[in-house]
Amino acid sequence: DGGITQSPKYLFRKEGQNVTLSCEQNLNHDAMYWYRQDPGQGLRLIYYSQIVNDFQKGDIAEGYSVSREKKESFPLTVTSAQKNPTAFYLCASSGRDGDNEQFFGPGTRLTVL
Amino acid sequence: AQKVTQAQTEISVVEKEDVTLDCVYETRDTTYYLFWYKQPPSGELVFLIRRNSFDEQNEISGRYSWNFQKSTSSFNFTITASQVVDSAVYFCALPGAGSYQLTFGKGTKLSVIP
Repeated sequence: DGGITQSPKYLFRKEGQNVTLSCEQNLNHDAMYWYRQDPGQGLRLIYYSQIVNDFQKGDIAEGYSVSREKKESFPLTVTSAQKNPTAFYLCASSGRDGDNEQFFGPGTRLTVL
Repeated sequence: AQKVTQAQTEISVVEKEDVTLDCVYETRDTTYYLFWYKQPPSGELVFLIRRNSFDEQNEISGRYSWNFQKSTSSFNFTITASQVVDSAVYFCALPGAGSYQLTFGKGTKLSVIP
């Protein structure tokens, strides 16, 4: 079955540590995205990538980093510079046309202890 | 800049009632798409519909229907004969022209009570 996988589902981290969230898709989509969701809020775009080896900052990129070495994979690193990292993180992918619908993974809930 | 407003934060209905979720948007683009997504308690967003601004016909899919009115910049979503499985947070979203950035509303949490 085609889809998007994110791991882990729950992640706990101590303050000052970097942590990497995994996102893999087998939909053959060119574009991939990372969103952050806080309680009672909509989704806010962190980073997106239209093609391998290229990515752009979204609205809230500070304290995050990404890489896109393979079409299928778009990992997100939450660095210690991110002041309030506790949130629900969603990865998505879509066709190259920006108007295509985005398909989402199940999400990773990150908690900083 | 794009803006999406979902004024209803939470709605509760009794099973089998009809319910309408409102979405009002702002955009300077002359052509655009609008989206609705459903987020059940599991957390994953599920795509429901994409609508082109050229097409103002109402869309119906089973118990779901969408009313798009360009004159009032609204794209409302109606669930007929609601069921408990409809309980979720529903998001309306709007991309920029040629942009990969989807602007989401803050969502409407729908609770369907048996």
